Amino acid sequence: GENVEQHPSTLSVQEGDSAVIKCTYSDSASNYFPWYKQELGKRPQLIIDIRSNVGEKKDQRIAVTLNKTAKHFSLHITETQPEDSAVYFCAASTANDYKLSFGAGTTVTVRA
Amino acid sequence: EAEVAQSPRYKITEKSQAVAFWCDPISGHATLYWYRQILGQGPELLVQFQDESVVDDSQLPKDRFSAERLKGVDSTLKIQPAELGDSAMYLCASSLSADTQYFGPGTRLTVL
Repeated sequence: GENVEQHPSTLSVQEGDSAVIKCTYSDSASNYFPWYKQELGKRPQLIIDIRSNVGEKKDQRIAVTLNKTAKHFSLHITETQPEDSAVYFCAASTANDYKLSFGAGTTVTVRA
Repeated sequence: EAEVAQSPRYKITEKSQAVAFWCDPISGHATLYWYRQILGQGPELLVQFQDESVVDDSQLPKDRFSAERLKGVDSTLKIQPAELGDSAMYLCASSLSADTQYFGPGTRLTVL
């Protein structure tokens, strides 16, 4: 089955700086890669996703890049704000079954 | 904005007791998922429904866990008997097009 690894497990950044989270996946058939943000005690919220037919996608301060050859994808958050503090999960799935395999999560802390 | 609903939000039970969790997906979403999220880890898929049919329950511990979605709308996940290791957050998610999944708030289960 699919194995998704996520790094780093914790990330502390100064407000206004950028944050980068990296994930690798094992199944070359994976073609859908969402990122979820989970605040303490709340539901995971989809913040951005990318499909394998594109290499980059951006939504305001958030961007995701995908390298299918290397089987890795990354989340970039620019101009970080305190409300960006949360746990971020990457995931991957294939068109065959759409089962999401999640990374272990990255706890992001934005220091004011 | 429509959201996935789950109840109860919190459940405390003693080991060997039976527990049940309920999920109401976003209206019109044919695919429903149950995940288990252990503290500090990413969600892990337990069972996937397409309408009323189970698509994948390969990770569901069938000796004690059962799930049903009788009318293809809401769903129930049951554990009997509960064990200490079942303490976790149980998340329900639904999707319209079988890729973008929207999560409910979860049920936090504590087994004493």
